[in-house]
Amino acid sequence: DTGVSQNPRHKITKRGQNVTFRCDPISEHNRLYWYRQTLGQGPEFLTYFQNEAQLEKSRLLSDRFSAERPKGSFSTLEIQRTEQGDSAMYLCASSPPVWDRRAQHSYEQYFGPGTRLTVT
Amino acid sequence: GESVGLHLPTLSVQEGDNSIINCAYSNSASDYFIWYKQESGKGPQFIIDIRSNMDKRQGQRVTVLLNKTVKHLSLQIAATQPGDSAVYFCAENSSPGTYKYIFGTGTRLKVLA
Repeated sequence: DTGVSQNPRHKITKRGQNVTFRCDPISEHNRLYWYRQTLGQGPEFLTYFQNEAQLEKSRLLSDRFSAERPKGSFSTLEIQRTEQGDSAMYLCASSPPVWDRRAQHSYEQYFGPGTRLTVT
Repeated sequence: GESVGLHLPTLSVQEGDNSIINCAYSNSASDYFIWYKQESGKGPQFIIDIRSNMDKRQGQRVTVLLNKTVKHLSLQIAATQPGDSAVYFCAENSSPGTYKYIFGTGTRLKVLA
């Protein structure tokens, strides 16, 4: 499977603990995005990387959230001191370079299966 | 698997009929729009996109219509099949040329056999 992968698929943690999620984008995709989705809602943008540079960060991303993409390939999203309100599905997506002629839709974001976080 | 969108607006259609899912977007400056399909336990899957310089685009069994005057987007699915049952989201880019998407609330499509 050469799609976007995310690990773990499910995470249950106690309030106050730190958690880290990993996203492996499609190979050669230079853009990577993190979203959060709660039941009954569409995904909400959290942050966006182009290569290793974090270019945009939502106001939803409090100081307890940090994302990295150190080598421009995989990315991690860490949540410190988790709260019950952090319970959600965390989705990762990636996009090819806009100059990639093989990409039929250069703005298309390919989503992974998500990591379901439950904070008890 | 888990459910996506337990309290979403629901559209029920008979198998073989055409489906129309509507979406109102918020930003008149948005220049790119996408429809995504999301099945339970999975991430959103791209269906079709349209740029603001177009008002209609067709794919395989799907058509997207864009009305910029009233900021309305619709997705038409021809000959709806059981496999089309899912939650459908429209998304717009937050400003021209950006890659930050704003998703709508979603509509659940139920295909009746």
